Amino acid sequence: LAKTTQPISMDSYEGQEVNITCSHNNIATNDYITWYQQFPSQGPRFIIQGYKTKVTNEVASLFIPADRKSSTLSLPRVSLSDTAVYYCLVGGLYNQGGKLIFGQGTELSVKP
Amino acid sequence: EAQVTQNPRYLITVTGKKLTVTCSQNMNHEYMSWYRQDPGLGLRQIYYSMNVEVTDKGDVPEGYKVSRKEKRNFPLILESPSPNQTSLYFCASSARDSSEQYFGPGTRLTVT
Repeated sequence: LAKTTQPISMDSYEGQEVNITCSHNNIATNDYITWYQQFPSQGPRFIIQGYKTKVTNEVASLFIPADRKSSTLSLPRVSLSDTAVYYCLVGGLYNQGGKLIFGQGTELSVKP
Repeated sequence: EAQVTQNPRYLITVTGKKLTVTCSQNMNHEYMSWYRQDPGLGLRQIYYSMNVEVTDKGDVPEGYKVSRKEKRNFPLILESPSPNQTSLYFCASSARDSSEQYFGPGTRLTVT
């Protein structure tokens, strides 16, 4: 299973773009990269998933370089409500037999 | 509404008294999983199930049991709870061809 490394915490201000990078040096060929958001005392919520290059949805963008050894979650113009913990996961449920490993996550604090 | 439900949401019990935390999903998902979350340790997978009658150990299975007799239900059983099982527990489900997991609201368990 690919291990991920993220910054423990980040600070930002409202209206700024926030980029959170995740390192996954031993990612396998068939692994996907998935990001989740978690608010205190709530279950994680899926944000975005990608395999290579760039993926964008209404919430975030995910940038994956050609070597796929890292990925960057980009949150445009953050607000106070984006204060949460963000987790990067590497793998896929069915190509890893169901085992998933969440890293420590990045605690993002958005200030006014 | 598509959702994962857990019961109870809060539980205080004593050491050794068997308990069951129920988990149910209404999305016809094949995959279900249990996690525990502790401060500083992030989310750790306890058990998972790829389909009915198929279960497997995650990273921290000791002291827990599960069963998957129906597709929608995946109860977590603590035969003899101990204080070190005091934690926040999350159930999650996912469709077969997706890594997007849907999480329940969580069950906060305290074992005294």
